Amino acid sequence: DTGVSQNPRHKITKRGQNVTFRCDPISEHNRLYWYRQTLGQGPEFLTYFQNEAQLEKSRLLSDRFSAERPKGSFSTLEIQRTEQGDSAMYLCASSTGRRGYNEQFFGPGTRLTVL
Amino acid sequence: QQQVKQSPQSLIVQKGGIPIINCAYENTAFDYFPWYQQFPGKGPALLIAIRPDVSEKKEGRFTISFNKSAKQFSLHIMDSQPGDSATYFCAALPYNQGGKLIFGQGTELSVKP
Repeated sequence: DTGVSQNPRHKITKRGQNVTFRCDPISEHNRLYWYRQTLGQGPEFLTYFQNEAQLEKSRLLSDRFSAERPKGSFSTLEIQRTEQGDSAMYLCASSTGRRGYNEQFFGPGTRLTVL
Repeated sequence: QQQVKQSPQSLIVQKGGIPIINCAYENTAFDYFPWYQQFPGKGPALLIAIRPDVSEKKEGRFTISFNKSAKQFSLHIMDSQPGDSATYFCAALPYNQGGKLIFGQGTELSVKP
């Protein structure tokens, strides 16, 4: 499969625990995005990377959230001290980053449930 | 504020019908408008996209109509099939903001056999 992959697909955790999600973008895609989607809503932008550089973070991304893309390939999203309000689908997308090519391709998402 | 408003929230059509989903935006600084299809438990899949210098784009049974002066765009699905039953999201890409898509609220489409 040469699409965007995300792991794990599902994560159930207790409030206060830390969780980490991984995203593997389409190879040779320079840009990687994280979005959050709650039930019945469209995805909301969280942050994005151009290669290993994190270029923008949404105000939705509180201090408990951190994202990395250490070698410009895969990315991780960590949530510390999870809260019930963090329960959502976390989506990763990638794009080439080339001028004029705006298509973003999404992975299957990681569904987080905080008990 | 950059927003995309989508309607209707849900839509039921008979097989062969032509569902139409509408989106409107407020900020003129958007330069790319994609539509995504999402099945339950799956990530959004890119369906079709249009740029503001074009008024219409067709790909297979899917057509986007774009009205720049009204700041509106819509998705038409020709000869709809039960397999088209999914949630559809419009989105807009702000110009020169690195690719942060702004999504509409979604339309849940049900195509009855």
